[in-house]
Amino acid sequence: NAGVTQTPKFQVLKTGQSMTLQCAQDMNHNSMYWYRQDPGMGLRLIYYSASEGTTDKGEVPNGYNVSRLNKREFSLRLESAAPSQTSVYFCASSEAGGTYNTGELFFGEGSRLTVL
Amino acid sequence: GENVEQHPSTLSVQEGDSAVIKCTYSDSASNYFPWYKQELGKGPQLIIDIRSNVGEKKDQRIAVTLNKTAKHFSLHITETQPEDSAVYFCAAVASGGGADGLTFGKGTHLIIQP
Repeated sequence: NAGVTQTPKFQVLKTGQSMTLQCAQDMNHNSMYWYRQDPGMGLRLIYYSASEGTTDKGEVPNGYNVSRLNKREFSLRLESAAPSQTSVYFCASSEAGGTYNTGELFFGEGSRLTVL
Repeated sequence: GENVEQHPSTLSVQEGDSAVIKCTYSDSASNYFPWYKQELGKGPQLIIDIRSNVGEKKDQRIAVTLNKTAKHFSLHITETQPEDSAVYFCAAVASGGGADGLTFGKGTHLIIQP
């Protein structure tokens, strides 16, 4: 069982370039999330999708866009990359969603992005 | 919104000793408190969680305690082993939120010394 799969695992970009991080889950989960992890900052939510067809901003959405392509796939796009977006990005999925219906988050292995 | 403080940022213990990581939260309406373990090069993985209707939960060598009055919760690992070396994150869900409402602490790097 693959769980949550992210691609690519590593990427180096120049300032101003664009790229898309791909995420797919095979657990039939309704909710999917994109986090970024920076040293000393913990995990911060960028965007999430509570169900197919919906997306919402998280704590740090500026500079990013997302697409919930179908129930399995949730992509994160950087339109014009900046050095401040150098980070490790994690995709996650969850069976539960909605008010006080918090379930376990299943994370991918991360995508390490460097913007020069 | 919710604010979660986690201490210490780094914890080094001898193999076989116990380790305790502490977190405080600010929103008294938070009612779900998970702990995630992140091994090097991997994504975080849930190891234990507690809801506000209980004060303690155990799973083999790990336990979590919750003090709602003081708004703090702790992770206890007994008889530590080398495979316990990892970064641990606590989290709390803010009122009205699902997993999208989770606020994570900044993490504790646990080092088990042989």
